[in-house]
Amino acid sequence: AQSVAQPEDQVNVAEGNPLTVKCTYSVSGNPYLFWYVQYPNRGLQFLLKYITGDNLVKGSYGFEAEFNKSQTSFHLKKPSALVSDSALYFCAVRDTHGSSNTGKLIFGQGTTLQVKP
Amino acid sequence: NAGVMQNPRHLVRRRGQEARLRCSPMKGHSHVYWYRQLPEEGLKFMVYLQKENIIDESGMPKERFSAEFPKEGPSILRIQQVVRGDSAAYFCASSPPGRDRASEAFFGQGTRLTVV
Repeated sequence: AQSVAQPEDQVNVAEGNPLTVKCTYSVSGNPYLFWYVQYPNRGLQFLLKYITGDNLVKGSYGFEAEFNKSQTSFHLKKPSALVSDSALYFCAVRDTHGSSNTGKLIFGQGTTLQVKP
Repeated sequence: NAGVMQNPRHLVRRRGQEARLRCSPMKGHSHVYWYRQLPEEGLKFMVYLQKENIIDESGMPKERFSAEFPKEGPSILRIQQVVRGDSAAYFCASSPPGRDRASEAFFGQGTRLTVV
C-alpha cells in the first residue's frame, strides 16, 4: 500500500538556524514526491517536487529537499529559517506505477514548523 | 491566470441540510481532485474527475456524498443530510490534461464546512 509518513508532529527551530522536516514514503514503482506548505486558513502552496534526476531539488522560498532512494526519504530543508516560514508542511507522493493510477496524491499527516525569533 | 477558485470559503449548515461546494479549476486544466482535511489531520483523497466523468471515487463515503464536473461550469461536491462529522476543510486541486504525472497539482483556498 502506498503511504507517506511524517514522523514529527512539530519542529521547533530558532530563526537563522537550519531546519529539516522529515518525510519517508512507501510506494510501488517510481515515486513522484512533492512538498506543500499551508498557512493558517489558507490552501496548500506547492514548494517543490522530485520526479527524476538530481537527488537535491531546489524550490520556492529557499527550500530544498533531498531524495534518498535507499532510505525512501524526501526530507525538506532550509539553511536558515525565517519566522515567516512558520506553517504546516505536507509531504505527498504520487505513485506512477501501473495504468490504473489516477494521479491522486497521498499525503503525510503534516508537520507544524515553528520558527522562533 | 486565475488560480483554482473555490466557493464559498466558509459554509455553515444545520444537521440534515445539504452542502454544495464549488470548484473552478485553473484555466486549461481538465482534471479536478477533491480532498478533505479533518481537524488535526492531513488531507485525504476523495474523488478525481475529468469533464463529465468520475475517474476515481475510491475515497468518497458510500452515502450522502456525490461529485460532478459538468461540461460547462464548476465541479460540485455535494453532501446531503450533513452530520457534525462532516465538518472539515474541503480542498479542490486541478492539474493539466494528459497523463503527465510529473505535474504538480494546484490547490484552491478550500471551503470550511461547519455543521451545527
